[in-house]
Amino acid sequence: AQKITQTQPGMFVQEKEAVTLDCTYDTSDPSYGLFWYKQPSSGEMIFLIYQGSYDQQNATEGRYSLNFQKARKSANLVISASQLGDSAMYFCAMGTGTASKLTFGTGTRLQVTL
Amino acid sequence: DADVTQTPRNRITKTGKRIMLECSQTKGHDRMYWYRQDPGLGLRLIYYSFDVKDINKGEISDGYSVSRQAQAKFSLSLESAIPNQTALYFCATSDLGDRGLVTGELFFGEGSRLTVL
Repeated sequence: AQKITQTQPGMFVQEKEAVTLDCTYDTSDPSYGLFWYKQPSSGEMIFLIYQGSYDQQNATEGRYSLNFQKARKSANLVISASQLGDSAMYFCAMGTGTASKLTFGTGTRLQVTL
Repeated sequence: DADVTQTPRNRITKTGKRIMLECSQTKGHDRMYWYRQDPGLGLRLIYYSFDVKDINKGEISDGYSVSRQAQAKFSLSLESAIPNQTALYFCATSDLGDRGLVTGELFFGEGSRLTVL
């Protein structure tokens, strides 16, 4: 069975600061993908970034980067230069094999303050 | 127009009523999914379908059924709604192999908020 754990129910960060959202995972499958999604207050799910288990480099997409530590089974999301529009719920998710059946964590609510 | 469209977006119903949530997509993806979101629990998989003739239960399928009418359409039914089925429901699609991913990302609809009184 696969499991995703997000231990931070809520986080605060000041505008223009960097913030790290934690995610740990558990799977026995050597082939897996890790995803981060953003859910603003409007409710839609927005894909942010992907990391494959065989990727040698940490994934980056603009201000988002994924700190992938395979031995520790962690896939933390780093948001640099936070903006007010980053205030949202953030979900970490994992899929194994080729099924695309993603398992989601419970989410972290990020609040960006002035 | 959205690539993945869910109807209705909001629905209030009473205990015991039959409810259908519909999902249609223009992405041309074979794989479709239904998830529900509850506060503090994240998203949980209800059912998924890899093609028109393939339907699979997810982790919380009890009390739900689905129908894959066509590649583009995947409906979720609550045969006899109960209050603890009050949740935000998401339909999603994926296409294995997009951008060389090990496992495909999900593309979500805008969600259907269901309240069962």
